[in-house]
Amino acid sequence: DAGITQSPRHKVTETGTPVTLRCHQTENHRYMYWYRQDPGHGLRLIHYSYGVKDTDKGEVSDGYSVSRSKTEDFLLTLESATSSQTSVYFCATKLRDRDLYEQYFGPGTRLTVT
Amino acid sequence: TQLLEQSPQFLSIQEGENLTVYCNSSSVFSSLQWYRQEPGEGPVLLVTVVTGGEVKKLKRLTFQFGDARKDSSLHITAAQPGDTGLYLCAGALGGNQGGKLIFGQGTELSVKP
Repeated sequence: DAGITQSPRHKVTETGTPVTLRCHQTENHRYMYWYRQDPGHGLRLIHYSYGVKDTDKGEVSDGYSVSRSKTEDFLLTLESATSSQTSVYFCATKLRDRDLYEQYFGPGTRLTVT
Repeated sequence: TQLLEQSPQFLSIQEGENLTVYCNSSSVFSSLQWYRQEPGEGPVLLVTVVTGGEVKKLKRLTFQFGDARKDSSLHITAAQPGDTGLYLCAGALGGNQGGKLIFGQGTELSVKP
């Protein structure tokens, strides 16, 4: 258990409004990830971080930005939410710098954009 | 774009039956993970396979990594209602920075009593 919490757990927002999702971890893991999960698509990587202030894009990064100002927190921002961003968002962390790439996931945030 | 094709996407079986889930790709992976996810929760890691041809067992679940490290299978023997959930495979490409994983689409398993 990597001690990952996500907030909020549920959110309904209107098209065009900004939204920030928070991921908090207590295990001092270096790597953190944001995914979205949609039916038939599995998990798709949005952005990831390999250290404080070090972030990079994933396969579906358009419309999303991230920030990591301290090890334990990784924020995902939708600058202007659209209905296509309705999804379940998961944060994950990677245990340590080794080759097995095992990731540990938070409980998810269900976001609805109306 | 590297793809990991998972099949079947849906599986509904009776308690006591056996089943196999497949993950296939044209890419070679340095390791492959299997996760299980229950409704309203995040995926939970079941196993990691690393060596081509490797077989790992977790009670009634058997995981196999293909010899060429491009495919994997999950076999469940005598399925039980508690096995119900979404099963996801995820592959790691060798040498990738950031420890990124490529996920399959998932297999939604329903085991009826």
